[in-house]
Amino acid sequence: GENVEQHPSTLSVQEGDSAVIKCTYSDSASNYFPWYKQELGKGPQLIIDIRSNVGEKKDQRIAVTLNKTAKHFSLHITETQPEDSAVYFCAASIIAGYSTLTFGKGTMLLVSP
Amino acid sequence: EAGVVQSPRYKIIEKKQPVAFWCNPISGHNTLYWYRQNLGQGPELLIRYENEEAVDDSQLPKDRFSAERLKGVDSTLKIQPAELGDSAVYLCASSLDTALVYRAEKNTEAFFGQGTRLTVV
Repeated sequence: GENVEQHPSTLSVQEGDSAVIKCTYSDSASNYFPWYKQELGKGPQLIIDIRSNVGEKKDQRIAVTLNKTAKHFSLHITETQPEDSAVYFCAASIIAGYSTLTFGKGTMLLVSP
Repeated sequence: EAGVVQSPRYKIIEKKQPVAFWCNPISGHNTLYWYRQNLGQGPELLIRYENEEAVDDSQLPKDRFSAERLKGVDSTLKIQPAELGDSAVYLCASSLDTALVYRAEKNTEAFFGQGTRLTVV
């Protein structure tokens, strides 16, 4: 089955700095890579996703890059704000059949004012 | 429109007791998932339904866990008897029909509920 590794486990930045979280996956058939943000006491919420037919996707301060050859993808947050503080999870799956998301272990992002 | 609704939000029980969690998915979402999230970890799938059919329950500990989605809408996850190691957050999620998503390149997003935090003492 799929295995997703995520690094770092914790990341502390100053407000305004950029933050980068990296994930690797094992199943070359995976073609869908979402990122979820989980705030304390809440369920994960999708913030951005990318399919394997594109290499990069951007939405305001958030961007995701995908390297299919190396089987890794990254989340980039620019101009971080204190409200970006949360746990971020990457995941991977195959858009077909009954494949289900496999999550990384998460990265706790702390943005200090 | 309401999102995925779960109840209860919190549950504390003694070991060996039974417990049940309820989930109402987003209207129109045929696919429903139950995940377990241990402290400091990512969600791990327990069971996945397509309508009323459980299509992936390979990670469900069937000796003590059971789930049902009788009418293809809301779902119940049960643990009987509970063990100390079952303490976790149980998350329910829903998404559009997978086959439809695949053919039409529609949104594949899985929407999560707030979860039920179970503490077994």
